[in-house]
Amino acid sequence: GQQLNQSPQSMFIQEGEDVSMNCTSSSIFNTWLWYKQDPGEGPVLLIALYKAGELTSNGRLTAQFGITRKDSFLNISASIPSDVGIYFCAGSVTGANSKLTFGKGITLSVRP
Amino acid sequence: DTGVSQNPRHKITKRGQNVTFRCDPISEHNRLYWYRQTLGQGPEFLTYFQNEAQLEKSRLLSDRFSAERPKGSFSTLEIQRTEQGDSAMYLCASSKQRQGAGETQYFGPGTRLLVL
Repeated sequence: GQQLNQSPQSMFIQEGEDVSMNCTSSSIFNTWLWYKQDPGEGPVLLIALYKAGELTSNGRLTAQFGITRKDSFLNISASIPSDVGIYFCAGSVTGANSKLTFGKGITLSVRP
Repeated sequence: DTGVSQNPRHKITKRGQNVTFRCDPISEHNRLYWYRQTLGQGPEFLTYFQNEAQLEKSRLLSDRFSAERPKGSFSTLEIQRTEQGDSAMYLCASSKQRQGAGETQYFGPGTRLLVL
């Protein structure tokens, strides 16, 4: 099935650094969501975006809904060790079935 | 406001056995989704309910998979005659439908299935 494109698969950063993650799609979505998943757990919602061009922050996290509706990015500022995990982007189209289409995720490692 | 809960969290079964998983959504969320996640992949959509109606089930992996939401509250996902390839994390998510607006899905902790 269709998947969103997230790359690279893994990112390694130093504690205190900022990191940016991108997500692209060949299709248009009208909702973009960013989730974080720890091993053995379900995805936890970080940020939800509902309008093209929207820029939303949640603490040290900032995400934007691309103007073309085919991309989104997530920024994490001043990373800390608990930011370690897998970050997924997901998109949906509002309608009868607002199922989410996910990327493969980016595994973030933070060196203390 | 309690989150989405799933039971059991882990299930180990032998090939050929039937298994059933339960999902309790956030109260007042009328939509409930089931996803399947394998190692190194993002969750993949299986089926979804709006209230008690199952509105999309074409993505269920085979006729061995079935789901119910009899009273529009909790849901069950059953896999009959399990196969080793069914081993995966099964995730449930719920959301509140918003007319003409995007919705946010909240996930449960998942049920990890291992078929021996």
